[in-house]
Amino acid sequence: DQQVKQNSPSLSVQEGRISILNCDYTNSMFDYFLWYKKYPAEGPTFLISISSIKDKNEDGRFTVFLNKSAKHLSLHIVPSQPGDSAVYFCAASWGTGANNLFFGTGTRLTVIP
Amino acid sequence: DGGITQSPKYLFRKEGQNVTLSCEQNLNHDAMYWYRQDPGQGLRLIYYSQIVNDFQKGDIAEGYSVSREKKESFPLTVTSAQKNPTAFYLCASSLNEKLFFGSGTQLSVL
Repeated sequence: DQQVKQNSPSLSVQEGRISILNCDYTNSMFDYFLWYKKYPAEGPTFLISISSIKDKNEDGRFTVFLNKSAKHLSLHIVPSQPGDSAVYFCAASWGTGANNLFFGTGTRLTVIP
Repeated sequence: DGGITQSPKYLFRKEGQNVTLSCEQNLNHDAMYWYRQDPGQGLRLIYYSQIVNDFQKGDIAEGYSVSREKKESFPLTVTSAQKNPTAFYLCASSLNEKLFFGSGTQLSVL
C-alpha cells in the first residue's frame, strides 16, 4: 500500500516559469517531509524539508508547502532552470531515524530552454 | 571528501549466483540503509542498520542479506533466492531523517 503518492509521473515546464510538483500522503502520523532530486544513474540528493509544525519552508528558488488537513505537500521551483531537469522524489517519515521514511514514485521534471 | 561510495557501478549476475554490492561511508554516520529502485517506482527499503553488528529487515528483505562488521561498511548480498534482482540499488547513511545516498549500482541478470 503506497503511503506516499506522486500522481504525476512527468512534468514539462518552460525555462523561467514556475514548476509545481505535488505529493499526497495517507498516514496522519507522518511529521517530517522531504524532497530529493535525482539525476540518471546517480543517487538522490536532499533538496528541502519541512516539519509538520510548519506550512511553508523556503530555500532560494525552492519552496515546499504543507497542507496537513489535505495530507498534501507541494514543491515550487521559481524560476525553473534547465539544470532542474531531474526526477523529484517526495518522502515522509514519522518518529526518529530514516527507517520510517517512505518514498513516492517520483516525478520527472523537464525544463525546456 | 566525505560521502558514500558504492561499487561496482554496474554488475551482472548469472543464474544461481550470489553477488555482493559494496557500500562504504566516511561520514561517521551510525545508520546505513539499502534501497532498491525499479523503473517508475519509489525507493523501497531492503535492510537497514542503526549500529555496528546489528541490522533489521526492511520492506523487501527476502532474497537479500547484509552484514555490518564495521561502522564504515554495509555490504549487500543478492542471493540466488532473489528471483527478480534486476534493479538500481542505492546505499545511504543518515543524520536524523536526512539520507545521504551513494551513486548506486545497476544490477542486471545475464
